[in-house]
Amino acid sequence: DIQMTQSPSSLSASVGDRVTMTCRASQSIGSYLNWYQQKPGKAPNLLIYAASGLQSGVPSRFSGSGSGTDFTLTISSLQPEDFATYYCQQSYNNPPPYTFGPGTKVDI
Amino acid sequence: EEQLVESGGGLVQPGGSLTLSCAASGFTLSSYEMNWVRQAPGKGPESLSFINRGGTTMTYADSVKGRFTISRDNAKNSLYLQMNSLRAEDTAVYYCAREHGFWSAYYHAFDLWGQGTMVTVSS
Repeated sequence: DIQMTQSPSSLSASVGDRVTMTCRASQSIGSYLNWYQQKPGKAPNLLIYAASGLQSGVPSRFSGSGSGTDFTLTISSLQPEDFATYYCQQSYNNPPPYTFGPGTKVDI
Repeated sequence: EEQLVESGGGLVQPGGSLTLSCAASGFTLSSYEMNWVRQAPGKGPESLSFINRGGTTMTYADSVKGRFTISRDNAKNSLYLQMNSLRAEDTAVYYCAREHGFWSAYYHAFDLWGQGTMVTVSS
């Protein structure tokens, strides 16, 4: 099974900061990596697909990069509505189930 | 507006059964592969089960294989999850999620989620 890890598990940042978080897969997954944002009490929301594709309606301050085993999600200028938990997900072993990472919580 | 609405959650005793439903609206369910995902309190999401468009291929996470059954009724625009032999560790919010293929369907992600339904397994 493909295992996903994320670092850091949490981070503190301020509005306007550039924020970067990483996701690592236990084996090479090409670009089969998605990123989701989740706010308390809500379902996850797709931000990035295929490592770097921006989902429709998602602000351009979000960007993804990486391939193989190491991936990065960057928020170029943190906004108040961005305080949330971010999860990566591999979609390499099609069909699902697709493994999620444990998350990175971004707070003030 | 495209929407998924789950129902059927609740409190059930260990060893009991429960069936979750997911009603789709604003889009044609038969055009999409579908999934169930759960999230235990304070934990990350866990992808549980997949079903293809025609309902002929189903997959399961090892944690639920042999106990849970996914199904769909495209005529009713509905997805289901039959859960048997429930355990305390099955306590979670259960989401249905639509799977979308990007870039000529080469890359897949869950692009639409329901609001979730809580399942609590406790005596």
